[in-house]
Amino acid sequence: ILNVEQSPQSLHVQEGDSTNFTCSFPSSNFYALHWYRWETAKSPEALFVMTLNGDEKKKGRISATLNTKEGYSYLYIKGSQPEDSATYLCACPIIKAAGNKLTFGGGTRVLVKP
Amino acid sequence: DTAVSQTPKYLVTQMGNDKSIKCEQNLGHDTMYWYKQDSKKFLKIMFSYNNKELIINETVPNRFSPKSPDKAHLNLHINSLELGDSAVYFCASSRRGQSTIYFGEGSWLTVV
Repeated sequence: ILNVEQSPQSLHVQEGDSTNFTCSFPSSNFYALHWYRWETAKSPEALFVMTLNGDEKKKGRISATLNTKEGYSYLYIKGSQPEDSATYLCACPIIKAAGNKLTFGGGTRVLVKP
Repeated sequence: DTAVSQTPKYLVTQMGNDKSIKCEQNLGHDTMYWYKQDSKKFLKIMFSYNNKELIINETVPNRFSPKSPDKAHLNLHINSLELGDSAVYFCASSRRGQSTIYFGEGSWLTVV
């Protein structure tokens, strides 16, 4: 069983402020860490896939870091905008012989207030 | 163009009915999945098919039966619907050997 946990469950951010939140996962048998952005009634959208300890990825104002030795990843949003409001999910895959099973955390729901 | 599309998006039905949700992907992927958003809002895998072959089958009641007529389609049929089946069901796909999966928009099933 792979436990992927995210905190906080939700947070409110004032427009223009920066924020970050955490994903923790088992550090043993690590394969990859995914971040997804999910707006209600839309498809979860892949943001980043990270594999190496110390990885940093960036997409616009959103960036992520990875620490595989201690089993955590941070997602940062710089200068939050209302359109950043969404649930951010992290996930780790369990790779089977011919299959790929992503285990998701519960998500961090971000609400950016204008 | 929609990469992973699933229909219907919303479905309200009575207990005991049988219903299907259809899914199609035009990404050329060979692996497809059904995920369910559970009562605690977690996304949990139900099934995975690779080239029409079932490869992951989590602990799901056998009232749920996936069918993959070809590698671009994976449909979910649910028999004898129960109140607890109310959830959002997501179809997804991925390329073999890659862990990133691509989701549809979800199908909101409400059993009354």
